[in-house]
Amino acid sequence: QKEVEQDPGPLSVPEGAIVSLNCTYSNSAFQYFMWYRQYSRKGPELLMYTYSSGNKEDGRFTAQVDKSSKYISLFIRDSQPSDSATYLCAIRNSGNTPLVFGKGTRLSVIA
Amino acid sequence: DGGITQSPKYLFRKEGQNVTLSCEQNLNHDAMYWYRQDPGQGLRLIYYSQIVNDFQKGDIAEGYSVSREKKESFPLTVTSAQKNPTAFYLCASSIQGRNTIYFGEGSWLTVV
Repeated sequence: QKEVEQDPGPLSVPEGAIVSLNCTYSNSAFQYFMWYRQYSRKGPELLMYTYSSGNKEDGRFTAQVDKSSKYISLFIRDSQPSDSATYLCAIRNSGNTPLVFGKGTRLSVIA
Repeated sequence: DGGITQSPKYLFRKEGQNVTLSCEQNLNHDAMYWYRQDPGQGLRLIYYSQIVNDFQKGDIAEGYSVSREKKESFPLTVTSAQKNPTAFYLCASSIQGRNTIYFGEGSWLTVV
């Protein structure tokens, strides 16, 4: 079983839709959870960071962590064409170990 | 501007040649990383370095080599031993003990 599983999509939604992106992980030692957004042919940029179960909101984006289920989600409200990108979840278990990335989900928001 | 600079952006090489990708950061970050990204594969860790003159292998280090002689620089050499080197290479850095890492813009390597 891979450490982090993420559905690669592609996912296509109409503008204004609520988008749900998800990852599952296998190691309960993972404590820190991140979402990165990557536009085509660019480096990933950090979108959200959280380290506890529950929700964290930043504008139209909400990151949700359920440690009991080993499940993390990113919700995008009122999706825009500019949200079209690949979204990568990333997880680590301590400050000095490298991040483990999901494969990324490719999202297209259609105007 | 502060950031991570990777060069070149695009590189073509003949099979059997070694090639070195440059990564420089002026963020005063301690740790630096090299990832490889292939379609449908996500990011795979090649090498990482937490301090100068020290580095560790990642998941796919075979066919690659690195050095960390300066805090700001972490070049990656793709050797002729790497069987399938055509890919998008990403350099990243972070403050030691912090959980988030920051990426450069990447280098596209095509071997023909």
